[in-house]
Amino acid sequence: QKEVEQDPGPLSVPEGAIVSLNCTYSNSAFQYFMWYRQYSRKGPELLMYTYSSGNKEDGRFTAQVDKSSKYISLFIRDSQPSDSATYLCAIKQAGTALIFGKGTTLSVSS
Amino acid sequence: GAVVSQHPSRVICKSGTSVKIECRSLDFQATTMFWYRQFPKKSLMLMATSNEGSKATYEQGVEKDKFLINHASLTLSTLTVTSAHPEDSSFYICSAGGGISADTQYFGPGTRLTVL
Repeated sequence: QKEVEQDPGPLSVPEGAIVSLNCTYSNSAFQYFMWYRQYSRKGPELLMYTYSSGNKEDGRFTAQVDKSSKYISLFIRDSQPSDSATYLCAIKQAGTALIFGKGTTLSVSS
Repeated sequence: GAVVSQHPSRVICKSGTSVKIECRSLDFQATTMFWYRQFPKKSLMLMATSNEGSKATYEQGVEKDKFLINHASLTLSTLTVTSAHPEDSSFYICSAGGGISADTQYFGPGTRLTVL
């Protein structure tokens, strides 16, 4: 079993839709949970960072962590064509390198 | 805040030459920097972790003599691809640990290396 599982998609939605991106992980020792957005041929951009179960909101983005189920989600409200990118979940323990999911490719059509 | 730069953004070189890529944290000090490699439509593959002033830790399967990493200061790490071959052509991305938390990582824009 891989440490982080993420459905690669692709995921296509119309503009204005709510997008749900998900990852599962296997090791309950992971403490930090991040979501990155990566546009083609660019470095990943940190969107959300959290270390506790529950929800964290930032504008149109909400990160959700359920440590008991080892499940993390990123919700995008009112999706825009500019949200079209690859979204990577990443998890880690303190002092270690990030472990990435494979990334989900999202396409938002106008 | 938390900006990481990489230079150059693109490089084309001949087989057998060496290429140096610089990674800088511009507005924070990064005790740890990471180097990744990414193939088209694939996720990031960690190559090595470097701590300022000490030797880098390489992931299994990464040749330390081929990919030389130097982390001379809290804001600069370099990756040198020695005796590059076409199979080394890839997208190389660095990240720096720090900013809002020591456990967050901020990524540079990446360097596309093409070896002819």
